[in-house]
Amino acid sequence: DSGVTQTPKHLITATGQRVTLRCSPRSGDLSVYWYQQSLDQGLQFLIQYYNGEERAKGNILERFSAQQFPDLHSELNLSSLELGDSALYFCASSVKPGSPGGSSNTEAFFGQGTRLTVV
Amino acid sequence: AQKITQTQPGMFVQEKEAVTLDCTYDTSDPSYGLFWYKQPSSGEMIFLIYQGSYDQQNATEGRYSLNFQKARKSANLVISASQLGDSAMYFCAMREGLLTGGGNKLTFGTGTQLKVEL
Repeated sequence: DSGVTQTPKHLITATGQRVTLRCSPRSGDLSVYWYQQSLDQGLQFLIQYYNGEERAKGNILERFSAQQFPDLHSELNLSSLELGDSALYFCASSVKPGSPGGSSNTEAFFGQGTRLTVV
Repeated sequence: AQKITQTQPGMFVQEKEAVTLDCTYDTSDPSYGLFWYKQPSSGEMIFLIYQGSYDQQNATEGRYSLNFQKARKSANLVISASQLGDSAMYFCAMREGLLTGGGNKLTFGTGTQLKVEL
C-alpha cells in the first residue's frame, strides 16, 4: 500500500459529461501530481500542486483542471469528455517538508489509479 | 530528444534467472533522480528502486539493483532470481531539478514488458 488513495477506482461515463477524480496524498506529503496513462500517449504528466498552489503544468488539456485543498487532497476535473480521454489517471505524492534534494524522500508514490472509460 | 529511452519493448526470462532491463536518459541538470516502477496487469504503479545522481553507490532493494553508469547516462534495472510474479510492465523514470525542492514531475519511458517463463 503506497499510502496514496484515489477514488473512484473505475468510472464509466458518456461523451460530453464531466467527472471529478479525487486523490488523498500520503500523510505529510505536500506535492500532488496527476498523470494520464493511455495506450497511444503512454504515461504523461498533467499537473503538479505543491501545498495548495499550482507548481507545474504538463500536457493538460484546457477541458481539464485541478486543485489542491487546504487538507492537501486534490481533485482533477475533466469536462466535455471525449472518447480519447479514456485512460488510467494516476495521482502521486512526494516531498515531506524539510526533505533534502537528492535524497530518497523525493520518491513519488502512486495511487492505484482511476480507470476512466468514456462511451 | 527523448528524455528517457527504453529500447526493449518486450523481454522474456526463465524463472530463477537474472534479467537486465535497459534505460538511458538525457539531462543537462546535475541533480536528478532515476526511478523504476513495476506495473502489473492490475494497473497499479509500484515503486521499486531509486538512484540519485549524487549517490556514490548503485542502489539495491532486495532482488532489484540499479546499474547506474553516469557517464553513459544509463540506469539499467537488474532483477535477480526472477519469479513468475515479476511478469509485468517496467517503467524507468527521471526527476530533474532535485535541488530546487518542492518536488518535480517524473518523465517516463515507454516501458518494457517482462514475461517470466517456467
